[in-house]
Amino acid sequence: DAKTTQPPSMDCAEGRAANLPCNHSTISGNEYVYWYRQIHSQGPQYIIHGLKNNETNEMASLIITEDRKSSTLILPHATLRDTAVYYCIVSKETSGSRLTFGEGTQLTVNP
Amino acid sequence: GAGVSQSPSNKVTEKGKDVELRCDPISGHTALYWYRQRLGQGLEFLIYFQGNSAPDKSGLPSDRFSAERTGESVSTLTIQRTQQEDSAVYLCASSLVYSLDNEQFFGPGTRLTVL
Repeated sequence: DAKTTQPPSMDCAEGRAANLPCNHSTISGNEYVYWYRQIHSQGPQYIIHGLKNNETNEMASLIITEDRKSSTLILPHATLRDTAVYYCIVSKETSGSRLTFGEGTQLTVNP
Repeated sequence: GAGVSQSPSNKVTEKGKDVELRCDPISGHTALYWYRQRLGQGLEFLIYFQGNSAPDKSGLPSDRFSAERTGESVSTLTIQRTQQEDSAVYLCASSLVYSLDNEQFFGPGTRLTVL
């Protein structure tokens, strides 16, 4: 599976948009981009995933660059409850849905 | 319906003892996964099941670790002769099928502390 690179930490003001970047320059054509988050002491929570088109759901938007070498998770109106570690993962078909999590980005939403 | 459940939520054991961690996946989910998360680190994949079979055991850290699944339902992760480095949160996840486009649902984890 392709390796991902994320900043270790980010801060965001409550009510503002949080934009979390992820680099996956070695991504291959059949790999999806997944985002999960883990709030302290809880299990990871699925957020969104995509292949090459931008995706939006009730939680977030996922913007994938045209060359697919990077993506951005957007939380449009961050709240204090969005403070968590956010994991960007790429996974290829042969690995099925066995997802390997890296270090992630610690997002802190400040009041 | 209920989500993924794990038991116990916390386990404290002495070095050298065996422990069993239990996972009850969402009913009807054929795929089940075990992960480990050490303090301050990301998730580390351990093993997955398709039905009751585990095709890939390469993620298990050592031969002290084993896992089984029965009835395409409950799974047990067993750690024999526990060591202090086994201390971590052990997370279980399940998905409807073992497929790329399938979301994994995670349980709350079991926090294992080896003294």
